[in-house]
Amino acid sequence: SQQGEEDPQALSIQEGENATMNCSYKTSINNLQWYRQNSGRGLVHLILIRSNEREKHSGRLRVTLDTSKKSSSLLITASRAADTASYFCATVKYNNNDMRFGAGTRLTVKP
Amino acid sequence: GAVVSQHPSWVICKSGTSVKIECRSLDFQATTMFWYRQFPKQSLMLMATSNEGSKATYEQGVEKDKFLINHASLTLSTLTVTSAHPEDSSFYICSASAGRGYGYTFGSGTRLTVV
Repeated sequence: SQQGEEDPQALSIQEGENATMNCSYKTSINNLQWYRQNSGRGLVHLILIRSNEREKHSGRLRVTLDTSKKSSSLLITASRAADTASYFCATVKYNNNDMRFGAGTRLTVKP
Repeated sequence: GAVVSQHPSWVICKSGTSVKIECRSLDFQATTMFWYRQFPKQSLMLMATSNEGSKATYEQGVEKDKFLINHASLTLSTLTVTSAHPEDSSFYICSASAGRGYGYTFGSGTRLTVV
């Protein structure tokens, strides 16, 4: 990817379980965002966390950011089959407006 | 909310022909637009960034003569894939922003198949 690594590359869990995805990046950032993409479709913005924030919540989503380790995690609690999708982190640097994506995690939630 | 319309959603073209993809911001002025390419089961790769009225800035390895980007107005950017070949088959997505400090709005993508 242009921005960093995500792990795991693929994750398969049962409905009701929690899913954790991790993202590492390379440069100093202004903010980091998480997106979801259903197969072959457009992107859905999930959550944005700024570089001066450490944790953010939105419904069943919890995002953390550790700028010292240049890493972020996305936790989806009480997963549902409808959460099956690919999840990408994306970073925006301080000195420009470009958004660059991580490699992504393919999440499968089995009913 | 901000809406970006991308058209067409899919296109099939013959090898050697050119294809134009449009990206329109419907309810805001997009000072910057971004074009991404996504191969199957891979991530989105930034191809180029365009600011209204300026030449696009291309990422390393992206041929500017092959992927022509025009951002002539604050609501419209176009990507033209010239002399398309099967290896150009991919999912192309645009994104628009009103500027630094503003959010990003993505189009729904264009699936290009070159036969």
